[in-house]
Amino acid sequence: EAGVAQSPRYKIIEKRQSVAFWCNPISGHATLYWYQQILGQGPKLLIQFQNNGVVDDSQLPKDRFSAERLKGVDSTLKIQPAKLEDSAVYLCASSLSSVSSYNEQFFGPGTRLTVL
Amino acid sequence: QQQVKQSPQSLIVQKGGISIINCAYENTAFDYFPWYQQFPGKGPALLIAIRPDVSEKKEGRFTISFNKSAKQFSLHIMDSQPGDSATYFCAAGYSTLTFGKGTMLLVSP
Repeated sequence: EAGVAQSPRYKIIEKRQSVAFWCNPISGHATLYWYQQILGQGPKLLIQFQNNGVVDDSQLPKDRFSAERLKGVDSTLKIQPAKLEDSAVYLCASSLSSVSSYNEQFFGPGTRLTVL
Repeated sequence: QQQVKQSPQSLIVQKGGISIINCAYENTAFDYFPWYQQFPGKGPALLIAIRPDVSEKKEGRFTISFNKSAKQFSLHIMDSQPGDSATYFCAAGYSTLTFGKGTMLLVSP
């Protein structure tokens, strides 16, 4: 079974530029998550999708971050404009469903973003 | 955001020893408590998880102990091996998870 795919793996941009990350979840997984992992910290949920609808985006900085999941499969996360404090690893995860609390989340390898 | 407090921040254990990592949570509505293992350059991977209706769960060398009244849970790694050297995260929640800050474990040969 293929895992969660993310691209690019690394990205270096200057502040105020824009950047986009792509995620392809495990086939059949209805729920998709985007996390931000700052160096030395645990992942922090940014947004959760159930199919193509947003379940939770309470911690997404909506003035600069946006995300979409068209057709309930792939997802993109965009930052515009980027700030220095956005330097982090952006992790995508997927699970079968968020209806049940006992659903394992499978993480992708992440995209390491450096903002100069 | 409900916090999950994890300790210690780092841990050095000799090969064959027992590694113990502790976590505490605040929200009594949480009903799912997983531990994730993360190697450098990789995403976190589920190691073991527990529900609050049991006090202990064991899978191979890994054991979760859960104390509902104290709102604490811990990960025990028995017979620690150099290959266990990684960062470990506890988490708690329902359909969404709140993660601890992580513990960097080094198992010395």
